[in-house]
Amino acid sequence: AQSVTQLGSHVSVSEGALVLLRCNYSSSVPPYLFWYVQYPNQGLQLLLKYTSAATLVKGINGFEAEFKKSETSFHLTKPSAHMSDAAEYFCAVSENGNKLVFGAGTILRVKS
Amino acid sequence: NAGVTQTPKFQVLKTGQSMTLQCAQDMNHEYMSWYRQDPGMGLRLIHYSVGAGITDQGEVPNGYNVSRSTTEDFPLRLLSAAPSQTSVYFCASGPGGVFEAYEQYFGPGTRLTVT
Repeated sequence: AQSVTQLGSHVSVSEGALVLLRCNYSSSVPPYLFWYVQYPNQGLQLLLKYTSAATLVKGINGFEAEFKKSETSFHLTKPSAHMSDAAEYFCAVSENGNKLVFGAGTILRVKS
Repeated sequence: NAGVTQTPKFQVLKTGQSMTLQCAQDMNHEYMSWYRQDPGMGLRLIHYSVGAGITDQGEVPNGYNVSRSTTEDFPLRLLSAAPSQTSVYFCASGPGGVFEAYEQYFGPGTRLTVT
């Protein structure tokens, strides 16, 4: 069975600081991995996805994530946080591309 | 394109009542799904469909029913509402396909309270 663990339900960074949101997954087959973002009172929006074409994946709004098979990780980073990055971030895994299994989410707070 | 639309936005039900949450998409997507979001638990899959006439259960299907008579619509029925079904419900759609990492598009959500 697949599962996703997101370390840290809340992360707080200063504006301009590095953003690091952690995601570890469990999957019995090579997984498809995703990061979605949810702004308050909205649905989810795709930030980026891993498809096995490249281990470093670039997404929208300056975010990127690196797939590390040996560590079963897919951490999300952004070099410099902006106030508009404050949101909840979800890591998700899929074995076949259809059904998504989500982590519990990480709320990112950006301090001015 | 309106994308994925959901109605209603908010709903309050009494225990035992039934209702249908509506979901529609105008992107001609084959894959549609329903999730519920609860604090600290992320999103959990309720039911999904890979095309008109085909539905299957997700992780938490009990108490919910779905049907898919058209490509565009995927309603979620609560048969007899319980307080445990208080949640935010999201509908999502995607082009579908096995062994492809495609984007799923989410609706704005329906916030349901069962008293």
